[in-house]
Amino acid sequence: GENVEQHPSTLSVQEGDSAVIKCTYSDSASNYFPWYKQELGKRPQLIIDIRSNVGEKKDQRIAVTLNKTAKHFSLHITETQPEDSAVYFCAASKGGSYIPTFGRGTSLIVHP
Amino acid sequence: DVKVTQSSRYLVKRTGEKVFLECVQDMDHENMFWYRQDPGLGLRLIYFSYDVKMKEKGDIPEGYSVSREKKERFSLILESASTNQTSMYLCASSSPAGSSETQYFGPGTRLLVL
Repeated sequence: GENVEQHPSTLSVQEGDSAVIKCTYSDSASNYFPWYKQELGKRPQLIIDIRSNVGEKKDQRIAVTLNKTAKHFSLHITETQPEDSAVYFCAASKGGSYIPTFGRGTSLIVHP
Repeated sequence: DVKVTQSSRYLVKRTGEKVFLECVQDMDHENMFWYRQDPGLGLRLIYFSYDVKMKEKGDIPEGYSVSREKKERFSLILESASTNQTSMYLCASSSPAGSSETQYFGPGTRLLVL
């Protein structure tokens, strides 16, 4: 089955810095890669996703890049703010299965 | 706006008790999921369901069962609770309609088994 590895497990940055979280996946058939954000005490929510026919996708201060050859994808957050502090989960799934395999999560701490 | 609700936010049970966790979604989603969330282990899939009365094992089904008698409701059952089932349980739903694979999560149930 699919295996998703996520690094780092904890990331501490100063407000205004950029943050990058990286994930690798094992199944070359995976073609959908969402990112979820879970604030403390709240439910995970989708913040951005990318499909395998696209190399990069951007939404304001967040972007996701995908390298299919190397089987890795990354979340980039620019100009971090304290409200970006949360646990971020990457995931991978095969088209049509609708069953994502999640990474173990990255705890992002943004210091004011 | 999709709404996924779970029957309890916090639950305390004794070892050996039968425990029911319920999840309800109001968006007519076909797919429903139960995850377990533990620090450092991420979200691990326990069971999922594609349709009413359908269920499939996920990665960690041992010690759990599920029931889906109605499309909007998906129940997780711990037949005989054990202390190693102390965890946060998250329900989610999604729909295969269109191209969206977004999972919508409930608020979670934090279960403590004594």
